[in-house]
Amino acid sequence: AQKITQTQPGMFVQEKEAVTLDCTYDTSDPSYGLFWYKQPSSGEMIFLIYQGSYDQQNATEGRYSLNFQKARKSANLVISASQLGDSAMYFCAMREGTGNTGKLIFGQGTTLQVKP
Amino acid sequence: GAGVSQSPSNKVTEKGKDVELRCDPISGHTALYWYRQSLGQGLEFLIYFQGNSAPDKSGLPSDRFSAERTGGSVSTLTIQRTQQEDSAVYLCASSLGGGIFYEQYFGPGTRLTVT
Repeated sequence: AQKITQTQPGMFVQEKEAVTLDCTYDTSDPSYGLFWYKQPSSGEMIFLIYQGSYDQQNATEGRYSLNFQKARKSANLVISASQLGDSAMYFCAMREGTGNTGKLIFGQGTTLQVKP
Repeated sequence: GAGVSQSPSNKVTEKGKDVELRCDPISGHTALYWYRQSLGQGLEFLIYFQGNSAPDKSGLPSDRFSAERTGGSVSTLTIQRTQQEDSAVYLCASSLGGGIFYEQYFGPGTRLTVT
């Protein structure tokens, strides 16, 4: 069954340091997409980064990179040079390619707090 | 450009009443999605519209929930005979297309409280 697991309910990081948020997934579909979203305390969901199952290279978007290990079914988010504004809830999500369903399956989220 | 908009931002209703939640997707986006977010259940998919295809209703929790999308744009989520367990934030999202590689852009949500 399709599932996303985020095992870190809360994380702390010092400003300007790097942090890794863990995400593992489970699917039998060979075609899938993996997404990370940020949700600040204001509530809006902000798209950060996407990784396709057939992509050969890890995705990067500015300070965000996705450490994609397909054999281990993990898609960890790495935030470099943390900023105070990075404090938020982070969600890992997956969408399968077959079945023509649009749904994103979300993990339970990780709350990140950046310390000055 | 304008993002996804939702109205109302907050809605308080009495148990048993019907409510309608509205979503305006980003102009030109063909796909539209509804999710809800609650403390107990996390983020749950409700329904997906893509172009003129039949919607994917697989996430609707009961027949009290329905949604429509008129003219391929605005969508309305209707909850009939609301129950306290319907209290949640209802999020709408849209994407440029329906493929898995299209990121979904979310609206600010409607916070529904059923008393």
